[in-house]
Amino acid sequence: EVHLVESGGGLVQPGRSLRLSCTGSGFIFGDYALNWVRQAPGKGLEWVGFIRSKSQSATTEYAASVKGRFTISRDDSKNIAYLEMNSLRPEDTAVYYCGSEEILSSRPPKNDYWGQGTLVTVSS
Amino acid sequence: EIVLTQSPGTLSLSPGERATLSCRASQSVRSNYLAWYRHKPGQAPRLLVFGASSRAAGIPDRFSGSGSGTDFTLTISRLEPEDFAVYYCQQYGSSPVTFGQGTKVEIK
Repeated sequence: EVHLVESGGGLVQPGRSLRLSCTGSGFIFGDYALNWVRQAPGKGLEWVGFIRSKSQSATTEYAASVKGRFTISRDDSKNIAYLEMNSLRPEDTAVYYCGSEEILSSRPPKNDYWGQGTLVTVSS
Repeated sequence: EIVLTQSPGTLSLSPGERATLSCRASQSVRSNYLAWYRHKPGQAPRLLVFGASSRAAGIPDRFSGSGSGTDFTLTISRLEPEDFAVYYCQQYGSSPVTFGQGTKVEIK
């Protein structure tokens, strides 16, 4: 059974950094592209970015709202994907979800599977 | 960027009734890469439909997706108690990936 678990959320001051992790189990992690999606309080779902599988060169793409501040990476030997968030702003406050899809092409992944999410609060 | 507009914003229905949710794209969705998710409070969203009309694994047949190009529909033939939730459409044919703003299906 595919299982994704996010971790690393918490309270952080504006301008500081935080790294989230997404740990996968029950599937061949390296064959999957991984998404990060967030939901701010009282708002809808917002795509943050994704990383392709190693076979697609593990390239990344980001939403305009986070480009240049957030970085997605992966360590397939540990079955973990990371979301490194720098220069955090109050508007980055949200539940962050990771999701995955096994795809062979370079198109963006949908979320066949989702984690339960981790809450990030940016406040002084 | 493809903007997805969902309607209505809220749908008030009774269990057993039929729900029809709409998702309109500002430009054609490549290869109809359009997904629908159900999201209940405190839970992870769940994939219902992908490719505009294919049901995801384990999704009951009361859920059906249709449409192509810029106009898509999710139909729930008979609402069950667990279907009262927020539904999002998502296009994943091109970057940036985008979501609609959601349709809340509430108990009348």
